[in-house]
Amino acid sequence: DGGITQSPKYLFRKEGQNVTLSCEQNLNHDAMYWYRQDPGQGLRLIYYSQIVNDFQKGDIAEGYSVSREKKESFPLTVTSAQKNPTAFYLCASSKTGFYGYTFGSGTRLTVV
Amino acid sequence: KNEVEQSPQNLTAQEGEFITINCSYSVGISALHWLQQHPGGGIVSLFMLSSGKKKHGRLIATINIQEKHSSLHITASHPRDSAVYICAVGPDKLIFGTGTRLQVFP
Repeated sequence: DGGITQSPKYLFRKEGQNVTLSCEQNLNHDAMYWYRQDPGQGLRLIYYSQIVNDFQKGDIAEGYSVSREKKESFPLTVTSAQKNPTAFYLCASSKTGFYGYTFGSGTRLTVV
Repeated sequence: KNEVEQSPQNLTAQEGEFITINCSYSVGISALHWLQQHPGGGIVSLFMLSSGKKKHGRLIATINIQEKHSSLHITASHPRDSAVYICAVGPDKLIFGTGTRLQVFP
């Protein structure tokens, strides 16, 4: 079955360390997105990519970096510059022009 | 004021009750999504609407483009419907509401 795989489901890191969250899709979707979810807030867009080797900043990109070397993969790195990295991170993909979204199951990152 | 507002924020119901969750938005959109998030965190897309009404099982979603309003209805609610329901609008980059937490008790 096609879908989005995010790994790991839970991640613990020490303050000051960079950490990379994985997102892989086998839906042949062109666009991929990273969202952050905090308690009591709607999901907020971190980065998005509509085509391989190209990506754009979302609303809260500071302290994060991404790459899109393959259509299937859109990893997110949470750097030590992100002041409050503890959150739930969701990856999504869509077929541009169709608007149909598929979401991953998320990664809960805790920085101690 | 948020661009996407949901009401109510929290909702409790007895099994079998008819549930309505509302979503109002203030931006121009090409599509509105209703999403379901279970306690584990993963999100499932329930509906994508650009006009009219859609039905899937016990779930019904409607949208009024002129009034910038959408509703999600659950008929004959069941405890397994307990989740957070999220409204999101877009074209591609979605703007999300903060969600409605629904608890259905037996």
